[in-house]
Amino acid sequence: EVQLVESGGGLVQPGGSLRLSCAASGFTFSSYWMTWVRQAPGKGLEWVANIKPDGSEKYYVDSVKGRFTISRDNAKNSLYLQMNSLRAEDTAVYYCADYTTSRGGFDYWGQGTLVTVSS
Amino acid sequence: DIQMTQSPSSVSASVGDRVTITCRASQGISSWLAWYQQKPGKAPNLLIYAASSLQSGVPSRFSGSGSGTDFTLTISSLQPEDFATYYCQQANNFPLTFGGGTKVEIK
Repeated sequence: EVQLVESGGGLVQPGGSLRLSCAASGFTFSSYWMTWVRQAPGKGLEWVANIKPDGSEKYYVDSVKGRFTISRDNAKNSLYLQMNSLRAEDTAVYYCADYTTSRGGFDYWGQGTLVTVSS
Repeated sequence: DIQMTQSPSSVSASVGDRVTITCRASQGISSWLAWYQQKPGKAPNLLIYAASSLQSGVPSRFSGSGSGTDFTLTISSLQPEDFATYYCQQANNFPLTFGGGTKVEIK
């Protein structure tokens, strides 16, 4: 059974940093693109970042470029999102998901972790 | 960036109704279009990929069609468990983008 479990969310002040983690199991993690998607309270879905299976390519939405870094550790079956210079508008539930390039969709999702940026 | 526009933003329907949701891309995306269902407090669930391919385990009352810029998601006979919010998503190129969502409510 595929499982994606996010952790690391919480309350942080504007300008602060947070590192999200996503633990994967039940599939060959090292073979899949991985993704972070976020959802602000009461709003729609927003793609945040993607990373290639070997970590050699990374893509970001413009609003987080230079502030967020996606990374992975295939030996630990883990995905990360380092978030710096956080802003109030980064407040959201952050989901990790796998991305199947042949389908163009996100097959499996974690349960999400809430990040709240507030003073 | 490719903008995805969904319509309507909400629809009221009854059990057994046929419901159609439209998604339009700001430029051609071939068939690189996926549809998701999301219920309150839950992660999204992939329904359709490649515009018209049904994800494993998804009921056959869901179907997708379209290519280029115009796409539709159809629920042939609405069931009580289908009341949710639906999103389209383009995968033609980065940045990946979602539509604004369509909430299917009980009439």
